[in-house]
Amino acid sequence: ETGVTQTPRHLVMGMTNKKSLKCEQHLGHNAMYWYKQSAKKPLELMFVYSLEERVENNSVPSRFSPECPNSSHLFLHLHTLQPEDSALYLCASSRGTGATGELFFGEGSRLTVL
Amino acid sequence: QKEVEQNSGPLSVPEGAIASLNCTYSDRGSQSFFWYRQYSGKSPELIMSIYSNGDKEDGRFTAQLNKASQYVSLLIRDSQPSDSATYLCAVVPGPSSNDYKLSFGAGTTVTVRA
Repeated sequence: ETGVTQTPRHLVMGMTNKKSLKCEQHLGHNAMYWYKQSAKKPLELMFVYSLEERVENNSVPSRFSPECPNSSHLFLHLHTLQPEDSALYLCASSRGTGATGELFFGEGSRLTVL
Repeated sequence: QKEVEQNSGPLSVPEGAIASLNCTYSDRGSQSFFWYRQYSGKSPELIMSIYSNGDKEDGRFTAQLNKASQYVSLLIRDSQPSDSATYLCAVVPGPSSNDYKLSFGAGTTVTVRA
């Protein structure tokens, strides 16, 4: 098993669809993150969960809804997205629960909104 | 003002040369600095971390930190075609900040030509 796995790797959806991205980490880490990566832009932090509790919600529109049922799994539920939401969505985990720069990323889910 | 700034490149260097990447940051209280490498179509991977002023060497990579001038750099010696990637600079906020936000630069794309 690789450290952080994401599914699906590619997703195409219409603006009225509902879909979910899944992330699983096999590293025994205590914190998990969702990042958005758009072309030529810095990685944008969306959500942080520390020990299954959301500790950061970086002004993300409500059409993105995270869920962390346990310390190994993280979901991002998507509904009524906009074309500008098309991007690479990266899940990451870290060992510690405080501020850290040592993140382990999954391979990402490439989302296209039509 | 962007929190973390990098030249987007592309930076083209011949095989065997030194690639020099620069990064500046705005939070003077920042204490932790990181370089991630991201191959095309892949996720970011941590390659270097540096916490103190001066140089830190790891194989062909050297990170340099100058807190007074608020810049951190990455040198890649004896550049190889396999070093062709986008390099992301990341900075953890200073202790006065209460969030988990690891600030990323937009990345510098490096191309090593054979």
